[in-house]
Amino acid sequence: DTAVSQTPKYLVTQMGNDKSIKCEQNLGHDTMYWYKQDSKKFLKIMFSYNNKELIINETVPNRFSPKSPDKAHLNLHINSLELGDSAVYFCASSQGRESGGYPFVNEQFFGPGTRLTVL
Amino acid sequence: DAKTTQPPSMDCAEGRAANLPCNHSTISGNEYVYWYRQIHSQGPQYIIHGLKNNETNEMASLIITEDRKSSTLILPHATLRDTAVYYCIVRSLTPEKLTFGTGTRLTIIP
Repeated sequence: DTAVSQTPKYLVTQMGNDKSIKCEQNLGHDTMYWYKQDSKKFLKIMFSYNNKELIINETVPNRFSPKSPDKAHLNLHINSLELGDSAVYFCASSQGRESGGYPFVNEQFFGPGTRLTVL
Repeated sequence: DAKTTQPPSMDCAEGRAANLPCNHSTISGNEYVYWYRQIHSQGPQYIIHGLKNNETNEMASLIITEDRKSSTLILPHATLRDTAVYYCIVRSLTPEKLTFGTGTRLTIIP
C-alpha cells in the first residue's frame, strides 16, 4: 500500500537507448511531479502535471517527455539517453486544497526514486 | 535559485534537541517556509511548514522570527533515525514546485 511508487528502482542502460520510468500514486492527489537528483545531490524539479495537464516544464531537454495516462500515473520517457542523464529520478504527488480563498498546495509525497545509470 | 542559506553540516547527540537554522532574508509576504528531509537513498520527506506563526507537529517544531528573515527547525529528542539532509525551502503558492538548496547534513551521534 505504498503511497507513491516507482518502477524500476534501478535502471542500467546504454547510451542512445530509449527508456521509461513509471510512477503511480494511490493518494488520490491531483498533481504529480518529476525531480532529478544528480551526482552532487542537487534536487531539481523537471515537470509538474495537474489533472493530466502539464503546468511546469523546467529547462529540460525535449528528449524527456512526461506522459500522464490518468490522474494517478505520471511516467517519464527518455529518448536517446546520454551519459549526463545518469541520476536518481524522484516522482512526487500533492493535493491542492482551498484555504482562505487561495489555492494552497499541500505537502508533496515522494517516491523511493529510480537510479538511472547510462553507460 | 534557492533563496535560503543553511549550514552544510551539524552534529547532535542522541536524545538531545537538534536545532537547525535557516536564513531567508529575501522572503516575501506570501511565501511560506517549508522543511523537508532526505534520509540516505530515500525520497524527500515533508516535515513541517509555516507562514509567520510558530508551528508544531508530531515530528518537529518550527520557529519563525518576527521579521520572518530566519527560522529554526527543532527536533526535540533526536534519534539515530533522524540522521539525514534537512532542506529549508521558501515557496509561494504558485508555481507548485519545491526549489531545493544544498541543505544541512545532520548527523545524530550515539
